[in-house]
Amino acid sequence: NAGVTQTPKFRVLKTGQSMTLLCAQDMNHEYMYWYRQDPGMGLRLIHYSVGEGTTAKGEVPDGYNVSRLKKQNFLLGLESAAPSQTSVYFCASSYGGLAQSKNIQYFGAGTRLSVL
Amino acid sequence: GQNIDQPTEMTATEGAIVQINCTYQTSGFNGLFWYQQHAGEAPTFLSYNVLDGLEEKGRFSSFLSRSKGYSYLLLKELQMKDSASYLCAVMGNYGQNFVFGPGTRLSVLP
Repeated sequence: NAGVTQTPKFRVLKTGQSMTLLCAQDMNHEYMYWYRQDPGMGLRLIHYSVGEGTTAKGEVPDGYNVSRLKKQNFLLGLESAAPSQTSVYFCASSYGGLAQSKNIQYFGAGTRLSVL
Repeated sequence: GQNIDQPTEMTATEGAIVQINCTYQTSGFNGLFWYQQHAGEAPTFLSYNVLDGLEEKGRFSSFLSRSKGYSYLLLKELQMKDSASYLCAVMGNYGQNFVFGPGTRLSVLP
């Protein structure tokens, strides 16, 4: 049981380049999330999805796009990378709904991205 | 608005007890969650509180006061492996609304 898998684990980009981060979960979770984590700022929500084919903006969505074509996968795209997007990116998933026990989030190992 | 506050760093001695506080002001509330994150690793779930009072899980306990917008995580019999960051997060009115605090980095010294 792999849980939540993120690829790649590390990446270095030049300003203006594009890339896609992949998140895959094998727990049949409905909800999936993308966060970024910067020193002293905790986890900030970029985009999220409450089911296949749905996406919504979080707290810091500018400069990112997402897609959820399959229930198990949630992709995060950077169209034109900027140094301000240097961060650690975490994907998470949960069953979702109103019950607190269904909203325990399971996180991937993270992607460390540097934009030069 | 959404605001969650935690102390930035704390230090404690192996075998001791430490209390990590979390205060919050959020537009909706449906539960408060605690996560542990070791350096360079992913956050992992510790506990959640929905109603006021204390929830105990082994060496870890979490307390909630909704009227005061306040929670704490209590760690007993500290071990070196408890050195990590501890994140509190508020679940809003719907499952997709989660706001995380900045985290408290705990160092356990021998």
